[in-house]
Amino acid sequence: NAGVTQTPKFQVLKTGQSMTLQCAQDMNHEYMSWYRQDPGMGLRLIHYSVGAGITDQGEVPNGYNVSRSTTEDFPLRLLSAAPSQTSVYFCASSRTGHSYGYTFGSGTRLTVV
Amino acid sequence: QQQVKQSPQSLIVQKGGISIINCAYENTAFDYFPWYQQFPGKGPALLIAIRPDVSEKKEGRFTISFNKSAKQFSLHIMDSQPGDSATYFCAASIRGGSNYKLTFGKGTLLTVNP
Repeated sequence: NAGVTQTPKFQVLKTGQSMTLQCAQDMNHEYMSWYRQDPGMGLRLIHYSVGAGITDQGEVPNGYNVSRSTTEDFPLRLLSAAPSQTSVYFCASSRTGHSYGYTFGSGTRLTVV
Repeated sequence: QQQVKQSPQSLIVQKGGISIINCAYENTAFDYFPWYQQFPGKGPALLIAIRPDVSEKKEGRFTISFNKSAKQFSLHIMDSQPGDSATYFCAASIRGGSNYKLTFGKGTLLTVNP
């Protein structure tokens, strides 16, 4: 059981480039979310999904797109990378109902130059 | 608007001591309060959680104390060990059917000296 798998682990982008951060879970969790982690800022919610075909914005959605075509996958797209998007990105999943807690992936460290 | 305020930002404790991390929240609709532990290079992992209908929950050396009237909750780590050195995040969420989001505090970097 892999849990939540994020790829790639590291990425360097040039300003203006686009890319997709991949997230897959094999636990049949309905709820999936993307957070970014910056020093001194904690974890901030970018986008989340409560099931296939359903997504919504979190606290810091600008510059990011998501889609949820399957229960397992929840990719995060950077449309035109900016240095302000340099961060560590975490994908998390959970059963519906927050008492189950989140399972986080190991993160993607993104640097935009 | 920061909905969950966490303090201190960093904490240094001697081995065997008690580590205490505090959090305060604004939104009275929050009804689930987990703590997450994160080691360097890893994703956060659920450590312990509490609901507001209880004032304390203990799991091994980790205890959450909850004060509903003050809108505060705290994590106590008894007999702290060097292996407890990590970043700790408090969080809160609102029960609302299947539509909920965790709001995290900014984190506390705990260092336990041997």
